[in-house]
Amino acid sequence: AQSVAQPEDQVNVAEGNPLTVKCTYSVSGNPYLFWYVQYPNRGLQFLLKYITGDNLVKGSYGFEAEFNKSQTSFHLKKPSALVSDSALYFCAVRGIDDKIIFGKGTRLHILP
Amino acid sequence: SAVISQKPSRDICQRGTSLTIQCQVDSQVTMMFWYRQQPGQSLTLIATANQGSEATYESGFVIDKFPISRPNLTFSTLTVSNMSPEDSSIYLCSAGGDSYNEQFFGPGTRLTVL
Repeated sequence: AQSVAQPEDQVNVAEGNPLTVKCTYSVSGNPYLFWYVQYPNRGLQFLLKYITGDNLVKGSYGFEAEFNKSQTSFHLKKPSALVSDSALYFCAVRGIDDKIIFGKGTRLHILP
Repeated sequence: SAVISQKPSRDICQRGTSLTIQCQVDSQVTMMFWYRQQPGQSLTLIATANQGSEATYESGFVIDKFPISRPNLTFSTLTVSNMSPEDSSIYLCSAGGDSYNEQFFGPGTRLTVL
C-alpha cells in the first residue's frame, strides 16, 4: 500500500535562512509525488510535482523539491525563507490506482 | 489549472439532519474526489466521484452516510446524512485529470454539527 511520512510536526526557521520540510514515501511502481501548501482557512494550493525527469523540481513561490529514489524521499526546500511562507505543508503521493494519499502535514513557522 | 468552488462555505447543523455540499469545476475533469479534514490535520479521502456510475468509497466510509452524485464532468455533490457531532469537519472537493496531473482543491466547507 502507498504511504507518505512527514516526520516533523513543526519546523521553525529564521527569516532569510534556508528551509527544508521532510517527506518520505512508499509506493508500488513509479511514484508521482506532490507538495501542497495550506494557508489558514484556505484550501490546498499546489506547489510542485515530480513525475519523471530531473530529480530537482522547481515550483511556485521559489520552492523546490529533490527526489531521491534510493532514500525514497522528496524533501521540500527553499533557499531563503519568508515570513509569508508560514503555513501547513503536505506531501502527497499518487499510486497506481490514481488516488492521492497525503502525509499528516508539517507546520512551518518562519520567525522574523 | 482548474478553479473549484464549493457551496456552502460553512454551516452549522443540528444532529440528525443532512447537508448537501456542492462542488463546481470551471472545466471538464476526469476525476473528482471528496476529502475530510480536521482543522490543522491531514486529509482523509472519503470517495472518488465517478461520472455516470456510483462513487467509489474508501474504507470506513459508506454510501448511506455519504451519498455522492456526479451528474456531469464539472459538478458533484456530497451529502452528509444523519449528522452527529463527530461529522464536524472541513469537507474538501478536488478534481484532477489524467495520472500525470496534480489535483486542484476547492476552498472547503466547514461543517459544525451541534
